[in-house]
Amino acid sequence: GAVVSQHPSWVICKSGTSVKIECRSLDFQATTMFWYRQFPKQSLMLMATSNEGSKATYEQGVEKDKFLINHASLTLSTLTVTSAHPEDSSFYICSTYRGGVSEQFFGPGTRLTVL
Amino acid sequence: QQQVKQSPQSLIVQKGGISIINCAYENTAFDYFPWYQQFPGKGPALLIAIRPDVSEKKEGRFTISFNKSAKQFSLHIMDSQPGDSATYFCAASKGWGKFQFGAGTQVVVTP
Repeated sequence: GAVVSQHPSWVICKSGTSVKIECRSLDFQATTMFWYRQFPKQSLMLMATSNEGSKATYEQGVEKDKFLINHASLTLSTLTVTSAHPEDSSFYICSTYRGGVSEQFFGPGTRLTVL
Repeated sequence: QQQVKQSPQSLIVQKGGISIINCAYENTAFDYFPWYQQFPGKGPALLIAIRPDVSEKKEGRFTISFNKSAKQFSLHIMDSQPGDSATYFCAASKGWGKFQFGAGTQVVVTP
């Protein structure tokens, strides 16, 4: 069964608004979560690494003030896209490791469309 | 700089045929090489993975071949089925670190 969930699965918003995406680990604690963005027919691009109780580490070129990441608990990380614009429309996916294994488990993804 | 190069970009194979996807990496520190399968609108799902201490790993119809000296690894899908039509990504990582993904290969299996 699924080990990582995301909510919502899809969201449509107006330009200039903020959108929050949740990523939850199911039945286990996730001290580290990764956030990816995927444009149509492209690969996954890592945006940031989220560590529980500390600041996220952003990849080069990712605006940390635009993509706010909060990892306040061992089972929940959130990505907030602030002042969203049409170019932020994408498929956002989170992932994490489950303790003791090096496999990354990916969430089902969130489709964001900014009008 | 793309650390993992994947080819081909797309391939079409007949049902029952063999699909072969190749990846090459640069960083010799990588020690974990997974392949992920992704269907449209879904998150990637682990298909099979290998570590550099073995040259081949087989799980059902899926086989990874690993060539450490050439810094290459490949995925073979035997007896390809229409349900295998998806995008496949190779990846590489060091320890529990972040993944470096290949560009992806769209596989279409024709009936």
